[in-house]
Amino acid sequence: EIVLTQSPDTLSLSPGERAILSCKTSQSISSTSLAWYQHRPGQAPRLLIYGASTRATGIPDRFSGSGSGTDFTLIIRRLEAKDSAVYYCQQYGSSAWTFGQGTKVEIK
Amino acid sequence: DVQLVESGGGLVKPGGSLRLSCGGSGFNLTRYSVNWVRQPPGKGLEWVSSISGSSLYIYYADSVRGRFTISRDNARNSVFLQMDGLRPEDTALYYCSTSGGDSWGQGTLVTVSS
Repeated sequence: EIVLTQSPDTLSLSPGERAILSCKTSQSISSTSLAWYQHRPGQAPRLLIYGASTRATGIPDRFSGSGSGTDFTLIIRRLEAKDSAVYYCQQYGSSAWTFGQGTKVEIK
Repeated sequence: DVQLVESGGGLVKPGGSLRLSCGGSGFNLTRYSVNWVRQPPGKGLEWVSSISGSSLYIYYADSVRGRFTISRDNARNSVFLQMDGLRPEDTALYYCSTSGGDSWGQGTLVTVSS
């Protein structure tokens, strides 16, 4: 089983700042199999990025993904209050999904 | 409006059973593989099971294999999760999602407690 480890566990930033979230996989994966989700309390998870770097429909360009192999990054620019959420990376192999433990982004 | 809708959650005693349903509202769910994902209270997301559009490919997480059964009825545009032998650690909000991860329901809560 591929394990995804996210860091940091929590980020506390001010509006307008930039958030950098990391996701490391226990073995190399295809970048086509890596996604990022935003999960606000009381709401369904929202797909942000798939294929490591492609924004999902309707996602603003403040969100960007990159990486390959075992190291992937989500950057959120110009943070807004509504970006307060837990962010998960996910790998979607041929037979199963696995999620990282999540990074909580707090807006001061 | 295109959306997924889960139902069937509730309170059940350890060892009991529940059957969750996931319906596609406004779109043809039969075209998609569907996944069940759960979130225990205060914890992160955990993938549970998936089923392909034809039901040919079915997969389970180790934590539920042998106790949960995923199925679908394309005539009813629905996917089901039969949960038997429930344990307190199965307590969670259960979501269904299409294979691309771009459509999710709002979840149905399962509580396993005596």
